[in-house]
Amino acid sequence: DQQVKQNSPSLSVQEGRISILNCDYTNSMFDYFLWYKKYPAEGPTFLISISSIKDKNEDGRFTVFLNKSAKHLSLHIVPSQPGDSAVYFCAARDSGGSNYKLTFGKGTLLTVNP
Amino acid sequence: DADVTQTPRNRITKTGKRIMLECSQTKGHDRMYWYRQDPGLGLRLIYYSFDVKDINKGEISDGYSVSRQAQAKFSLSLESAIPNQTALYFCATSEPGEGRNQPQHFGDGTRLSIL
Repeated sequence: DQQVKQNSPSLSVQEGRISILNCDYTNSMFDYFLWYKKYPAEGPTFLISISSIKDKNEDGRFTVFLNKSAKHLSLHIVPSQPGDSAVYFCAARDSGGSNYKLTFGKGTLLTVNP
Repeated sequence: DADVTQTPRNRITKTGKRIMLECSQTKGHDRMYWYRQDPGLGLRLIYYSFDVKDINKGEISDGYSVSRQAQAKFSLSLESAIPNQTALYFCATSEPGEGRNQPQHFGDGTRLSIL
């Protein structure tokens, strides 16, 4: 059973517009959420994160919103740039026990068109 | 130089062969992880190690084994490779520190094809 879901396999936006990537989760024990960005032939790179005690975290053009009651988070990229074209993975950390492993979604391919 | 280095970057081999994928890191992190990525799927955890003496199975450890030779080195072995182990494999590291931001840092991956 998938605990972290990214229901949109792909998203296409115009340069300069907002990109919104969504992620849903089912495990109430998740206490930390991260977004990773992955270019072809490279490993995922950390982008931004949010603790479950917050509802928003912003870093430059990137903002992550967390709605705990809905078990939903989203990544907003404003303005979108062609270099943002990549696969974006949502990941969640399980605070249960002492493991602190990450569970990843399947990813969303973002294409920003010039 | 990359902080997390995986070797080889690409490997093609035959069913039944023993394969070792290696990972080394210069970040000084205690925690190391092995993931595999398949098309249309996210990254799935194979094994993880929180220090040299601590090895733990992830969600898909069957058919794999690992060795943590030193703090900086974590290798993944396929004792007898099978075609459904064809995938992209990633090594990652992280610092401990529950309650603090501790993102995992990934290598660039090993593309493994088993014929």
